[in-house]
Amino acid sequence: GQSLEQPSEVTAVEGAIVQINCTYQTSGFYGLSWYQQHDGGAPTFLSYNALDGLEETGRFSSFLSRSDSYGYLLLQELQMKDSASYFCAVRVNTGTASKLTFGTGTRLQVTL
Amino acid sequence: NAGVTQTPKFRILKIGQSMTLQCTQDMNHNYMYWYRQDPGMGLKLIYYSVGAGITDKGEVPNGYNVSRSTTEDFPLRLELAAPSQTSVYFCASSSQGSAYEQYFGPGTRLTVT
Repeated sequence: GQSLEQPSEVTAVEGAIVQINCTYQTSGFYGLSWYQQHDGGAPTFLSYNALDGLEETGRFSSFLSRSDSYGYLLLQELQMKDSASYFCAVRVNTGTASKLTFGTGTRLQVTL
Repeated sequence: NAGVTQTPKFRILKIGQSMTLQCTQDMNHNYMYWYRQDPGMGLKLIYYSVGAGITDKGEVPNGYNVSRSTTEDFPLRLELAAPSQTSVYFCASSSQGSAYEQYFGPGTRLTVT
């Protein structure tokens, strides 16, 4: 099976930088995705890492270390609208299909 | 494009009743998924489909059934509803080579009492 660990809550100040970590244990690992979910909303895709290193998309960056089974999501220049839950998800290959297994999420609270 | 649409948005069921949650996507995606999300938790995969006529179980399939007769539609059937099935249900889709990037519908909030 798969297991993922991420902090349950993080608080940061508007304009600051915050890092949300994710460690995983899985077989058939293909890559690590990140999703954002506002309260009452649907998850939306943020980024994906299949290879080691940093992927940058605007204010958001995501990092993966396959040897350490570890990744993180970095949010820069935080804005109030970034207050949401963030989920890491491992992509695994079952042979018939690729699937995602989601972590339990990190609730980010951005304060003034 | 409407993306992924789900109906109904809300539903209250009595124990033992049955219902079908509808999901439709207009992006011509081969892959479709059903997840459930309990309060404060992550998403758990119920069933998925890699194309019309092909479905497979996810992590928590008990109490549910699916079918995939067309590329666009992937309904989820709840038989004999139980309070443990109270949850938010999300349908998602992705293209075959991009399972890491899934597009989610707005969700159905289901309460079983």
